[in-house]
Amino acid sequence: KQEVTQIPAALSVPEGENLVLNCSFTDSAIYNLQWFRQDPGKGLTSLLLIQSSQREQTSGRLNASLDKSSGRSTLYIAASQPGDSATYLCVGAAGRRALTFGSGTRLQVQP
Amino acid sequence: DAGVIQSPRHEVTEMGQEVTLRCKPISGHNSLFWYRQTMMRGLELLIYFNNNVPIDDSGMPEDRFSAKMPNASFSTLKIQPSEPRDSAVYFCASSFGYDSGGVLFFGSGTQLSVL
Repeated sequence: KQEVTQIPAALSVPEGENLVLNCSFTDSAIYNLQWFRQDPGKGLTSLLLIQSSQREQTSGRLNASLDKSSGRSTLYIAASQPGDSATYLCVGAAGRRALTFGSGTRLQVQP
Repeated sequence: DAGVIQSPRHEVTEMGQEVTLRCKPISGHNSLFWYRQTMMRGLELLIYFNNNVPIDDSGMPEDRFSAKMPNASFSTLKIQPSEPRDSAVYFCASSFGYDSGGVLFFGSGTQLSVL
């Protein structure tokens, strides 16, 4: 079964900092890796999806990379803002095997 | 598109009662997933369907839980009888072409409280 680990579990930074969130997975046969954000009491919003054939995806201030050989993905957030405060989750899809979520990184950006 | 629609948003029930959660996936999506989220265990996949057929139900906790997808536009997750430890947020998600790497879209969830 796929295992997904996210580091750090929690992060508090001042506004304006660039930061990196890490996601490690055990099954390198993933089809894709998807990053989500979840605000307290809300559902999950998709941020970026990286196909297994790609190495990175960018959307605005967000950049996600994927290294299947090392079983790692990173989410880079540039010039963080208080509105970025949320829990960030990654999930790896592996065909007919179950999608497994990491436990998430709780981000707090201080104004 | 209205996105993935779940109902009810909140459900409060007493132990032993039957609970039915409902989900309408995004039109055209052929994969549907039920997840449960708790503080202790995070997000857990309960079951997923592909083309209305259950593919992986290994996450369903026990026989008290059952899920159906009678057609491409509707799914239910039933708990009978419910227990306090079932209290959680239940999410439904859908995707197109999951087996080839489709994006997951989540509903707003059902907050279930079993007293």
